[in-house]
Amino acid sequence: GAVVSQHPSRVICKSGTSVKIECRSLDFQATTMFWYRQFPKQSLMLMATSNEGSKATYEQGVEKDKFLINHASLTLSTLTVTSAHPEDSSFYICSAGRGETQYFGPGTRLLVL
Amino acid sequence: DAKTTQPTSMDCAEGRAANLPCNHSTISGNEYVYWYRQIHSQGPQYIIHGLKNNETNEMASLIITEDRKSSTLILPHATLRDTAVYYCIVSATNAGKSTFGDGTTLTVKP
Repeated sequence: GAVVSQHPSRVICKSGTSVKIECRSLDFQATTMFWYRQFPKQSLMLMATSNEGSKATYEQGVEKDKFLINHASLTLSTLTVTSAHPEDSSFYICSAGRGETQYFGPGTRLLVL
Repeated sequence: DAKTTQPTSMDCAEGRAANLPCNHSTISGNEYVYWYRQIHSQGPQYIIHGLKNNETNEMASLIITEDRKSSTLILPHATLRDTAVYYCIVSATNAGKSTFGDGTTLTVKP
């Protein structure tokens, strides 16, 4: 199957700092990628749709100024959590579509102290 | 995207077939049935998908009822490594984004 990577796999940061998470499609190009968030013992929640060369589309309740998304190329999307707070601690997962199927990255665990 | 309903949890003996049901009574004609699984602290892994016909690959089989209102994922010989949360999702092709329900926690026991 198609491979999607994320970097870093885990990150710890201080409250108030910004954190950037990268999502790459390694063996295919993706005009659209998706960002999800998963809190402990909960399911994945879609945060936003990342579109190559244009603005991201955010789901209701997701602050676009806090979660900055950049999709500068067909293989890379980045999610920046700005001014992170402890409540932003979560598991962030990206996905990219290839053909009829979405392939997911391994996830990034963010802990904000 | 149509909503799906899955049992919260299921157990299966190692080496036996695991049959995971999913109801999707409001599925639209252009929506596929997708199955993913998520092993603890990892991203979801694609298993299989189908539109109308039954499908089989190296991981599993997917049985879709004729009216497409429900489906069953079959893991023919479950192993301990198949213990995971299994998600059934319906989505139109190329729509991309997926709406995840709570899934079924499958526990394979020795």
